[in-house]
Amino acid sequence: GAGVSQSPRYKVAKRGQDVALRCDPISGHVSLFWYQQALGQGPEFLTYFQNEAQLDKSGLPSDRFFAERPEGSVSTLKIQRTQQEDSAVYLCASRRTSGVVDSYNEQFFGPGTRLTVL
Amino acid sequence: AQSVAQPEDQVNVAEGNPLTVKCTYSVSGNPYLFWYVQYPNRGLQFLLKYITGDNLVKGSYGFEAEFNKSQTSFHLKKPSALVSDSALYFCAVSLKVGAGYNFNKFYFGSGTKLNVKP
Repeated sequence: GAGVSQSPRYKVAKRGQDVALRCDPISGHVSLFWYQQALGQGPEFLTYFQNEAQLDKSGLPSDRFFAERPEGSVSTLKIQRTQQEDSAVYLCASRRTSGVVDSYNEQFFGPGTRLTVL
Repeated sequence: AQSVAQPEDQVNVAEGNPLTVKCTYSVSGNPYLFWYVQYPNRGLQFLLKYITGDNLVKGSYGFEAEFNKSQTSFHLKKPSALVSDSALYFCAVSLKVGAGYNFNKFYFGSGTKLNVKP
């Protein structure tokens, strides 16, 4: 079956530009996560959705970062006025939900979007 | 604060020899533990997880991991390495409970590059 897809795979932006990164989760997965992976580092949590509700945005590094999932499926991560320190791979993951608390279930990751800010 | 440590940036092993990739963690309470593998330009792929029960868990591609509560470790192992196992390996933890929704997110280690030589 189809996995998590992300687009674009690569994005080059000039400093100060706005960018939008798209994530298509596995069909039926109600939990969706965004992570930021800097070069040579492990992924760092950005934000979490359950259906259309953004329940945790504690990892967003600044108010330039904004995420939405208006219909509970596709999600978009938007970065306004990009800075060089925003250069990273942005990973999206989805997870099957079997109950209120299902942190024991694995997350399924997309291939990521590599953002380079010049 | 929750943290995951992978003390080795790189592990080198000859094909056919056993391999170990180390992971230790420091979290509040009892965690769920995961291993993922990342190939170049691809997303993270789930290998195995520990939820409860037997301390030795088996996963995909012949990998296994041993949970050690007293040492707060979850080392990844394989009895006989293959050249195709060469990749980047990440250890991750999630929490069983937490404030707000922070139990949902993954906390990742910084990754260990595994090189298997023919």
